[in-house]
Amino acid sequence: AQSVSQHNHHVILSEAASLELGCNYSYGGTVNLFWYVQYPGQHLQLLLKYFSGDPLVKGIKGFEAEFIKSKFSFNLRKPSVQWSDTAEYFCAVKSAGGTSYGKLTFGQGTILTVHP
Amino acid sequence: DTAVSQTPKYLVTQMGNDKSIKCEQNLGHDTMYWYKQDSKKFLKIMFSYNNKELIINETVPNRFSPKSPDKAHLNLHINSLELGDSAVYFCASSQGALLYQETQYFGPGTRLLVL
Repeated sequence: AQSVSQHNHHVILSEAASLELGCNYSYGGTVNLFWYVQYPGQHLQLLLKYFSGDPLVKGIKGFEAEFIKSKFSFNLRKPSVQWSDTAEYFCAVKSAGGTSYGKLTFGQGTILTVHP
Repeated sequence: DTAVSQTPKYLVTQMGNDKSIKCEQNLGHDTMYWYKQDSKKFLKIMFSYNNKELIINETVPNRFSPKSPDKAHLNLHINSLELGDSAVYFCASSQGALLYQETQYFGPGTRLLVL
């Protein structure tokens, strides 16, 4: 079965620091990749997604992610974080084949805390 | 103007009770989903409906029964609640039935606590 792992459970940064959150998935075939964000007290929102084409995708609020197929990775980055980026971030993968076809599989989430 | 809404937001109940969680989407989507987020924060799909038809049914106890009266609503009824059912339940929707290429939009979650 497909799985997604996020390397860090909790990341603590100061404002203006750079951010990289790791995400690796297990499925070897064609995938769609997503990053969702959940701000305190709010619902899950789509941050960015990769379906095909340029492996470097840009999302809302200055976030970007790079799909590296050979490493089965889709890491999330932001050059300079803000206090308002404090939230929980979820990586998710959908595969185009196998027993998990079409099902969105999530990582366990990374809590980001940004200190002013 | 909430796109995907769930009620209630919080639900505290005793073991053995029966409860329902409701979900509505106003996006005009054809497909809706229920996810369970366990204590380790993993979100796992439970069910999916497309135009009121069940299309995904993961290994979920049959105490859980989804019902879709129309494509804008997907309710989750849980019989004989157990302690292990305590979790956050998320509803989601997506445009169509081409599951691979669809983006899912999530509701705010319902936090269920079984005592």
